[in-house]
Amino acid sequence: EVQLVQSGAEVKKPGESLTISCEASGFSFFNYWIGWVRQMPGRGLEWMGVIYPRDSETRYSPSFQGQVIISADTSITTAYLKWSSLKASDTAIYYCVRRHGYSYVFDYWGQGSLVTVSS
Amino acid sequence: EIVLTQSPGTLPLSQGERATLSCRASQNVSRSNFAWYQQKPGQAPRLLIFGASNRATGIPDRFSGSGSGTDFTLTISRLEPEDFAVYYCQQYGSSSWTFGQGTKVEIK
Repeated sequence: EVQLVQSGAEVKKPGESLTISCEASGFSFFNYWIGWVRQMPGRGLEWMGVIYPRDSETRYSPSFQGQVIISADTSITTAYLKWSSLKASDTAIYYCVRRHGYSYVFDYWGQGSLVTVSS
Repeated sequence: EIVLTQSPGTLPLSQGERATLSCRASQNVSRSNFAWYQQKPGQAPRLLIFGASNRATGIPDRFSGSGSGTDFTLTISRLEPEDFAVYYCQQYGSSSWTFGQGTKVEIK
């Protein structure tokens, strides 16, 4: 069974750093693009970026380029999303997703990680 | 970046009625890179339709997708109680994914 299990909710202050994780199981982690999608409170979905764990190639949405870093550790089949300096506007639910093997859609989603940034 | 505009924003319907949701792209989209998702409150989105008209695994046949170019449609033939949710369209093009802003199907 394909599963993407994300790390739990976080409460942080502006300026702090944060890394959230997404542990994958039930499929060959090397061979699928893994991405992140943001959903701000009461809002829609925004694609942030993707990574191909086999060679760590990453692609970012222009809106998120330079704002976050996506990485992956193939030894523990886990993807990460990192901020070096959080802002209040980063408050959102973040979903990790798996790109379908031969189509450019996201066929599996993690349960979401709520990040709250407040002073 | 391709912009997707969904209409209507809210669709009030009753159980058993037919729902027709629209998604218009700012430029041509490849059918193979077009999808629909459903999101219920407090849950992650789930893939409904990929390749514009192919149902994902486990999706009932009351859901169907159609369209090409810049105009795509999601149809729910007879609404069941569990279908009241928010629906998003999505496309991939020019190395970037974009989502529509969503259509909420609510109980009338």
